[in-house]
This record gives sequence, C-alpha cells and structure tokens, in this order.
Amino acid sequence: GDSVTQMEGPVTLSEEAFLTINCTYTATGYPSLFWYVQYPGEGLQLLLKATKADDKGSNKGFEATYRKETTSFHLEKGSVQVSDSAVYFCALSDPGNDMRFGAGTRLTVKP
Amino acid sequence: DAGVIQSPRHEVTEMGQEVTLRCKPISGHNSLFWYRQTMMRGLELLIYFNNNVPIDDSGMPEDRFSAKMPNASFSTLKIQPSEPRDSAVYFCASRPDGNSGNTIYFGEGSWLTVV
Repeated sequence: GDSVTQMEGPVTLSEEAFLTINCTYTATGYPSLFWYVQYPGEGLQLLLKATKADDKGSNKGFEATYRKETTSFHLEKGSVQVSDSAVYFCALSDPGNDMRFGAGTRLTVKP
Repeated sequence: DAGVIQSPRHEVTEMGQEVTLRCKPISGHNSLFWYRQTMMRGLELLIYFNNNVPIDDSGMPEDRFSAKMPNASFSTLKIQPSEPRDSAVYFCASRPDGNSGNTIYFGEGSWLTVV
C-alpha cells in the first residue's frame, strides 16, 4: 500500500542553520504530497503541498519539490528560527484514498 | 469559519470505563478521519468515512473501538472498555471531497488518559 518514510529525529539545530528533512514515498498512482507541522499541544496544520511532479510547495520560508524520479519530497529551509521548533510530518494522498502520514520528525532550534 | 471541533479536549478515566469522543467536521467536508497519536506508534489512521460511510476501518485496533457517523456533521469514537494502553491523543480531521490534493484539516485533539 501507499506509504511515506521520513527522516528519523530528533533534529537539533542552531538558529539560522539550514534545515533538510528527508521524505520518500511509495505509491501506485499519482499522489499529492504534503508537509504538516504540529506545534506543542496543538493539532497538525498544513505547511505546504504539491499535487504533481516537479511542483514546488512553499510557505513561511519552507520549500519542498515533488520529485517523481526519486519519489521524494524533502523539506528545506534556509535559515531556521526558534519558532520553527515543532514536529514535521510528511504525508501523501492518492485519489479516492485516505491520507497517510510519516512517523514525524521533531525539530528543536536553539538560540 | 469554525474548524474541526472535538470534545472533550481532555479526559481522565478509569480502566474499564466507556469513553466517547466527539467530532464536528467542517461544514461541507465529505471525508472524516480519526487518528490516534502516541509517542511509541506515532500518528495512526483508525478509520476513514466518506459521505458518512466507513471506507477503511482497518486501523481500528480491536473490537473495543467503534466509530459512527450518523450524519454529515457529527461523528463519535467509542472505546468500551477502556484500557491504560488506550491513553493517547485522538485527532479528528475532515477534508472536502474531490481530488487528492485537498488538504485535511485537523481538530485540536482529545487527550485521553486511562488510569
């Protein structure tokens, strides 16, 4: 079945460091891909998404490009802030199906 | 617009008691999801409804768990009898019907502790 595998955490960075969280997927069709973020004590909220190959999703300085050839959707940010500390989830959704999430990667950014 | 509304936000109950979690999806959304989140197992899909019909309940852990969606604006997840290993955060989420590019919107979760 469809699934996503994302980089295990936790990840600890200093403020202004470059962030990459890897995500790869397995799907039989042409899924849409998502990154969700969960701040402490809250539900998940959409960070960005891409619905077809070569699309780039971006939001709040975060970017991810849908790479069909490598079945990847890696999350990047050029300069992280303390406020980016959260758990990040990669997810995919195939037409007509539910949404599957990765295990989550906890990011801590230190001042 | 109101988001996905869950109740209760927090519940502490004794082992063996019945627990009912409630969810009101966003108006107009045709798909509803129940997820469970724990440190050990991460985010697990329990059940997925489309147009009030259960489509995939393969994630429901055992017969102690049941979910219903009697109408488009209300769903329940029931645990009977509850056990300490059911302690988790339970999220309800909804999504407009249509293509897979639609975003899922999460509620704030119901934090369940079974002692």
